Amino acid sequence: QQQVKQSPQSLIVQKGGISIINCAYENTAFDYFPWYQQFPGKGPALLIAIRPDVSEKKEGRFTISFNKSAKQFSLHIMDSQPGDSATYFCAASYRYNTDKLIFGTGTRLQVFP
Amino acid sequence: GAVVSQHPSRVICKSGTSVKIECRSLDFQATTMFWYRQFPKQSLMLMATSNEGSKATYEQGVEKDKFLINHASLTLSTLTVTSAHPEDSSFYICSASPAGEYSPLHFGNGTRLTVT
Repeated sequence: QQQVKQSPQSLIVQKGGISIINCAYENTAFDYFPWYQQFPGKGPALLIAIRPDVSEKKEGRFTISFNKSAKQFSLHIMDSQPGDSATYFCAASYRYNTDKLIFGTGTRLQVFP
Repeated sequence: GAVVSQHPSRVICKSGTSVKIECRSLDFQATTMFWYRQFPKQSLMLMATSNEGSKATYEQGVEKDKFLINHASLTLSTLTVTSAHPEDSSFYICSASPAGEYSPLHFGNGTRLTVT
């Protein structure tokens, strides 16, 4: 019930391509869904976040798509760049405890020139 | 933006010794901070919630006597790994968020602990 499942485990994309990472959850009490980017040896950094009352949120090249009925959400990185190569984590939290995050297993993205 | 500072970034210690890791919120106050542990190429596992002025809340399976947490002020939480063993070697990351619903969680840059 508390899990957030993330796929794929790793992803290789050519520069300029679209990177898509998917996450799914079971617990309908989750109310906040952020995505974090982590470079080796560094802490995660917040990329973008969404709440279930919207189906899509876009910030620059990063878009979250959210399907409440399917309990799935995904991160799309448009025009992927080598600098986007990192590990991406989706996460979820409850409405009144939004800072206690449950993380997905992570996706290692490699963008080749 | 909100900044969380963690120190040290790397530490090597011998088995049996204790190591203290500091986590500071630099430009905001945090009544709650979180400590995570991350093994290589794995996800972040929440170890404990640090509460200012009261006892920390530990996740299931985390030894409270092994991982001592002190949150003495609104900007500082410390994690002490006591009687460290090689299996405690890991990447420890703290996080905090400014007050407010849906306020984003910010992470420190982590501490790489190696126990020899």
